[in-house]
Amino acid sequence: EAGVAQSPRYKIIEKRQSVAFWCNPISGHATLYWYQQILGQGPKLLIQFQNNGVVDDSQLPKDRFSAERLKGVDSTLKIQPAKLEDSAVYLCALGLPEAFFGQGTRLTVV
Amino acid sequence: AQSVTQPDIHITVSEGASLELRCNYSYGATPYLFWYVQSPGQGLQLLLKYFSGDTLVQGIKGFEAEFKRSQSSFNLRKPSVHWSDAAEYFCAVVGYNKLIFGAGTRLAVHP
Repeated sequence: EAGVAQSPRYKIIEKRQSVAFWCNPISGHATLYWYQQILGQGPKLLIQFQNNGVVDDSQLPKDRFSAERLKGVDSTLKIQPAKLEDSAVYLCALGLPEAFFGQGTRLTVV
Repeated sequence: AQSVTQPDIHITVSEGASLELRCNYSYGATPYLFWYVQSPGQGLQLLLKYFSGDTLVQGIKGFEAEFKRSQSSFNLRKPSVHWSDAAEYFCAVVGYNKLIFGAGTRLAVHP
């Protein structure tokens, strides 16, 4: 079973500021995902990595969101500049077909 | 692309009553199927999964789900609901090597 640590757990920023989230797999897996979960909705896939490479980023708002995976292990997701509608929980997950999720980072944009 | 539909946004049951949460998927072949549960402020916990074989799968916390290929469904069931089962339930599908979630069903349990 893969373990996933995410930081920070909570973040509050003003609109137009930038923010970064970290995903640190405790154990490795080739497939890593970032999901956005807006309150009351299901998780939406933002980006999927296979090792270092991007498999799918079709729903990533590339004008403001960016993500990278370093050496096929750790990953960061950045938002610059943030909008009010970016308020959500950002989930990192590892594994395919079964995915193991971190606790998420709750972002509030005010 | 695959998709997942959970027709019921919100369900309320009495404690001790039976439960069935519906899930339908769209995919050209048999996908990998999952049910996750999420309590308020908590992460996603895997309840059960279907990869192949027996179409009735058992999960944690007394839940089970049945895969019906002819109906493209993977409904979640529990014979007797406990107050602690109140949470949000998500059906998810892996097809084309991508994990996609439904919108979720919020379960409320009356004492």
